[in-house]
Amino acid sequence: KAGVTQTPRYLIKTRGQQVTLSCSPISGHRSVSWYQQTPGQGLQFLFEYFSETQRNKGNFPGRFSGRQFSNSRSEMNVSTLELGDSALYLCASSLGLAADTDTQYFGPGTRLTVL
Amino acid sequence: AQTVTQSQPEMSVQEAETVTLSCTYDTSENNYYLFWYKQPPSRQMILVIRQEAYKQQNATENRFSVNFQKAAKSFSLKISDSQLGDTAMYFCAFTSNYGGSQGNLIFGKGTKLSVKP
Repeated sequence: KAGVTQTPRYLIKTRGQQVTLSCSPISGHRSVSWYQQTPGQGLQFLFEYFSETQRNKGNFPGRFSGRQFSNSRSEMNVSTLELGDSALYLCASSLGLAADTDTQYFGPGTRLTVL
Repeated sequence: AQTVTQSQPEMSVQEAETVTLSCTYDTSENNYYLFWYKQPPSRQMILVIRQEAYKQQNATENRFSVNFQKAAKSFSLKISDSQLGDTAMYFCAFTSNYGGSQGNLIFGKGTKLSVKP
């Protein structure tokens, strides 16, 4: 079974631009979560999507948004980029059905650099 | 607010020895899940072990085991017979059971473990 894939792997943008990151979950997984990883703040939860609906949301400004498609692929968008948005963005997928047995599998991440 | 604290930023251990990584958390929830994730230098986050709060028995996965102390809100990871491939960042994570979802993990800051030959 193919793992979680994220594209692109590396991205360089300038302040004020917007960016879209993509995540393809493991086949059969309906939940996709996004996390931001920085040296200063560590790993922080952005949002989770399940069956095309946002199920949970972290404490990030409205510039961060996401969506999920009917095939469970997910995209996250960051508008009006700031220097502080430079980070590794991780995507994780899971079946999303039962917490007792659910396990999140992480992708390799997208390294975003904002200049 | 729920928090996860890892008090050891860095640790090292000799190959074949045993090491314990500490984690404490704070929550008012009674039903929750705890995890240890490993992030090797290649950056792919891998689940090491999980523990359901309602289970009194400590979880074990091969060389990895946990010491779960619910009253003390402590969740430490013991790695036995350490191997060079265990060198990685280790993250303790928590989630509560909202609507069956585990998709909102709260992570600690991590412990960088180096296994020395």
